[in-house]
Amino acid sequence: DTGVSQNPRHKITKRGQNVTFRCDPISEHNRLYWYRQTLGQGPEFLTYFQNEAQLEKSRLLSDRFSAERPKGSFSTLEIQRTEQGDSAMYLCASSLGAGGNTIYFGEGSWLTVV
Amino acid sequence: GENVEQHPSTLSVQEGDSAVIKCTYSDSASNYFPWYKQELGKGPQLIIDIRSNVGEKKDQRIAVTLNKTAKHFSLHITETQPEDSAVYFCAASIRSGNTPLVFGKGTRLSVIA
Repeated sequence: DTGVSQNPRHKITKRGQNVTFRCDPISEHNRLYWYRQTLGQGPEFLTYFQNEAQLEKSRLLSDRFSAERPKGSFSTLEIQRTEQGDSAMYLCASSLGAGGNTIYFGEGSWLTVV
Repeated sequence: GENVEQHPSTLSVQEGDSAVIKCTYSDSASNYFPWYKQELGKGPQLIIDIRSNVGEKKDQRIAVTLNKTAKHFSLHITETQPEDSAVYFCAASIRSGNTPLVFGKGTRLSVIA
C-alpha cells in the first residue's frame, strides 16, 4: 500500500452515463497525477495538479473528461457521456515537489463501459 | 515530446537466471529514469530509479544502468525468483521540470520454477 487511495476500484457503467473517480494522495504530496492504462500498454499521462492548480492536460483528455482538485488535497476525475473506448484503468499518483521525485501510484480504478 | 521504447515485450527465464529489460528514450533533456513493477490488478510500484548524474545503481538483486550518449537504460534482475513475475515498465522524464513521466509499453516477465 503506497498511501494513494482510489475509489471506486471497479465501475461498470452503460454507455452514455457519467462516472466519477476519486483519488486521495499521500497527505503531504503537492503534486497529483492522473494516468490511463489499457490492457497491454503502459500508463498514459492525462493531467496533473500542483496543489489546486491544473498545470498540464494531455491531448488524450477530451472535452468529456474533467479533473478537479479543489482544495489541493483529494482529486476527482469525471467522464461524461462515457464511450466504450473509455474502458481502461485510471491511475492516480502523487509526489512531493517537481519531476524527479518519486511518484507513487494508487491501485487504480477499473472502468468498464458496456 | 518524449518517446520511450521498451523491449522485449515478454521474457521467460528459469528461476535463478538473470533477466535484462532494455529501454531507449528520445529526448536528450530527460534525466530521470524510474522502473516500476506492476502485478495483476494492482498499480505500478517503483522498484528502482536512476538519475543522469550516475551510470549505474544497485539495490540487492536489482540494478539499473544508464548510457546517456546512446539514450538507453536497462534493468537487470539477478537470481530471479517466481515472485519477480510481473509486468515491468520503464519511464523517463525531466527532473525538476514540469514534464510528466512517459512510460514504455512494458515487459511481461515470467520466472519459471
